[in-house]
Amino acid sequence: SQQGEEDPQALSIQEGENATMNCSYKTSINNLQWYRQNSGRGLVHLILIRSNEREKHSGRLRVTLDTSKKSSSLLITASRAADTASYFCATDQGGGKLIFGQGTELSVKP
Amino acid sequence: DVKVTQSSRYLVKRTGEKVFLECVQDMDHENMFWYRQDPGLGLRLIYFSYDVKMKEKGDIPEGYSVSREKKERFSLILESASTNQTSMYLCASSPKPGPHNPQHFGDGTRLSIL
Repeated sequence: SQQGEEDPQALSIQEGENATMNCSYKTSINNLQWYRQNSGRGLVHLILIRSNEREKHSGRLRVTLDTSKKSSSLLITASRAADTASYFCATDQGGGKLIFGQGTELSVKP
Repeated sequence: DVKVTQSSRYLVKRTGEKVFLECVQDMDHENMFWYRQDPGLGLRLIYFSYDVKMKEKGDIPEGYSVSREKKERFSLILESASTNQTSMYLCASSPKPGPHNPQHFGDGTRLSIL
């Protein structure tokens, strides 16, 4: 069963703007992970935030986690055309098995 | 870097055929996973394995089986392919369950069943 739900399903912005994607989930988690998928390729791990963390940064990526609301957000700052891809959140409830959301399709126009 | 290799990027098979999708990882990972990805449905877990000769059903195992005879190789088998199994299939691996281990994905096999 799919736990993560992502919002929006699609997002179109101009280069240089920030992109924010949201993920909600239903049950308690060990961690929440964000992945990126370029068209026709596999998923690439971007960032992992543990259930006891509230915010994490990696380069132009900022992830927040609110376990009381069972939600997370991924912010990409100063977006580039190369950021065009689908972004997925995935929740780890323990044991290494992930449950993926349906993804947000991001389009960054030059 | 971890490399997960799926044997075919594109595959076309006929209804009723037995289809094998192969996945090999080079980082000695204990865990391996098979997903299918369909538009609007995201990734759905078919089967996974925590060790050689071990397998566990995921969310949608019907019509599929798996084989893990060696640690580095995890095969997905469509016993009798049907058109509703046309999809993108993704293999992934991760280290032994620690508290926080990401998964590493192959590039996928786009399978068409005619």
